[in-house]
Amino acid sequence: SYELTQPPSVSVSPGQPASITCSGDKLGDKYACWYQQRPGQSPVLVIYQDNKRPSGIPERFSGSNSGNAATLTISGTQAMDEADYYCQAWDSSTGVFGGGTKLTVL
Amino acid sequence: QVQLVQSGAEVKKPGSSVKVSCKTSGGTISSYAISWVRQAPGQGLEWMGGIIPILGMLNYAQRFQGRVTITADESTSTAYMELSSLRSEDTAVYYCATSTPEDYVSGSGTFDYWGQGTLVTVSS
Repeated sequence: SYELTQPPSVSVSPGQPASITCSGDKLGDKYACWYQQRPGQSPVLVIYQDNKRPSGIPERFSGSNSGNAATLTISGTQAMDEADYYCQAWDSSTGVFGGGTKLTVL
Repeated sequence: QVQLVQSGAEVKKPGSSVKVSCKTSGGTISSYAISWVRQAPGQGLEWMGGIIPILGMLNYAQRFQGRVTITADESTSTAYMELSSLRSEDTAVYYCATSTPEDYVSGSGTFDYWGQGTLVTVSS
């Protein structure tokens, strides 16, 4: 079955850029999206179709996808961005999530 | 903007079944593909399956085949997820989430809106 791999944790200082990677076989041939989940809350879509932002998502969130990896980048990370982030793609009509990355803003 | 309202928390015995509902408001369920995603305590997200009521299309993750049934009642704009033969490992928060039917069918579906989640606890 298809797998997406994320680092368990990423740390960043406030105001600095943060990047979270998501690896999967030929992921660049699929659309990747990203969800933010704060403790006790439902996930929120922050990037879809590799690099598009839903309305209401700050411009500091951006995405890319090529080869075997997708990347979520947060420029000028803020304390409120501290959360778990999940990548997601589809493979053979099956939804697949990465294991999640805990972003800590120190 | 669509809102998804799920049924309340459940406590079930091992071997029993649970049925969780997800009612859409601000849009008819016929406009969406509805997926079910679960999250065990302290764990990540796991897609279980989905339904597109207007197309009569249904698909399940292989690991849940035979144990999960997803249905939809267009007259009440409510989707349901029933999981049978429950075991302790099924203890999780269960979410419903919407995608547009076109994107879901094409394999680019994103989960645009999410329900508040339903905690299902399986314990003897």
